[in-house]
Amino acid sequence: QVQLVQSGAEVKQPGASVKVSCKTSGYTFTNYAMSWVRQAPGQGLEWMGWISTYNLNTDYAQKFQGRVTMTTDTSTNTVYMELRSLRSDDTAVYYCTRETATPSVPRPRRWFDSWGQGTLVTVSS
Amino acid sequence: DIQMTQSPSSLSASVGDRVTISCRASHTISTFLNWYRQKPGTAPEVLIYAASNLPGGVPSRFSGGGSGTDFTLTISSLQPEDFATYYCQQSYNSPQTFGQGTKLEIK
Repeated sequence: QVQLVQSGAEVKQPGASVKVSCKTSGYTFTNYAMSWVRQAPGQGLEWMGWISTYNLNTDYAQKFQGRVTMTTDTSTNTVYMELRSLRSDDTAVYYCTRETATPSVPRPRRWFDSWGQGTLVTVSS
Repeated sequence: DIQMTQSPSSLSASVGDRVTISCRASHTISTFLNWYRQKPGTAPEVLIYAASNLPGGVPSRFSGGGSGTDFTLTISSLQPEDFATYYCQQSYNSPQTFGQGTKLEIK
């Protein structure tokens, strides 16, 4: 079965960086893109960006441009999200989520069909 | 960015009730609209994709409708596990955006 297993909770100081991993199994890694979504405490869901595991193209939300990098390791079927210059308002649970799509043309409908368990990143001095 | 607005923000209902949640997009998005349920302390799970389609394994009490800018999620007969928060999400344009959520509580 499809599994997305994320790395453990992190506590970081303001200005530091964090790198969260998402190890996948149960499917062909390069057939599905991956997005990262975060959720601040008591708040809603926020899409951060997307990486194609096939050609490594990325698309980052403007809000995170310059601070976020998403990468993959096809030898371990793992996706990574690094966020730099952390601030207190980056405190959130970070989720990796697999994107699937219909075969519709010209534009396939896309949605998130599997999610990691979430990684709590706390930014505090 | 396309803004997604859900209504109501919160809702009280009883087991067995029929409820409908609405989602409005600030620009037309055809049927590039998905719905998720999030139980406390867990990751979201998809309920509806492409406005009206049920993924395998999702109970038939969930249904979705709409196109363009106005969408609905209906739960025909609430079960205890449905008391959770619901989000709509558009995948028409980048950045993909979510509604603010609708919290469904037990009356």
